[in-house]
Amino acid sequence: AQSVTQLGSHVSVSEGALVLLRCNYSSSVPPYLFWYVQYPNQGLQLLLKYTTGATLVKGINGFEAEFKKSETSFHLTKPSAHMSDAAEYFCAVSEFTGGGNKLTFGTGTQLKVEL
Amino acid sequence: DAGITQSPRHKVTETGTPVTLRCHQTENHRYMYWYRQDPGHGLRLIHYSYGVKDTDKGEVSDGYSVSRSKTEDFLLTLESATSSQTSVYFCAIGSDIGDEKLFFGSGTQLSVL
Repeated sequence: AQSVTQLGSHVSVSEGALVLLRCNYSSSVPPYLFWYVQYPNQGLQLLLKYTTGATLVKGINGFEAEFKKSETSFHLTKPSAHMSDAAEYFCAVSEFTGGGNKLTFGTGTQLKVEL
Repeated sequence: DAGITQSPRHKVTETGTPVTLRCHQTENHRYMYWYRQDPGHGLRLIHYSYGVKDTDKGEVSDGYSVSRSKTEDFLLTLESATSSQTSVYFCAIGSDIGDEKLFFGSGTQLSVL
């Protein structure tokens, strides 16, 4: 069975500071990994994904993540936080079977950006 | 944005009553999913569908049933709602053309009193 652990349910950074949201995964097969963002009262939207190939993945809004197999990690970073980045972020690992792409989510990290 | 509509957006009901949530898509995607979101648990898969009349259970399927009689509609039914089913329910869709990402609806806030 696959699983995802997100370290830190709440992260607070100052505007302009580095954003680092941590995600570790467990998977018996080569994983597909995702970061989704959820703004208040909205559904989830995809930030970025890793399937195969380059281990440094760039997403929308200046976010990127690096797949590190040896550390079973897929941490999300952004060099400079903006107030509009305040949201909840979910890491997910997928199992692509005959039933499609079933995602297993982490418990989420609420990002707060302060002036 | 992907064409996904969830209805209703909000519902309050009483314990023991049946409830049906609807997910409607205009993307003609093969796969559809129902997740529930609860604080401290993230999103958990309830049921999913891989085609018309083809459905299967997810991680937290007890107390829920689903039906998919048309490609565009995926219904989630709580046969007899309980307070533990108070949650935000999200529908998601995915294609079968090698794109692994899912598109999510805006959610249904369900309160069972």
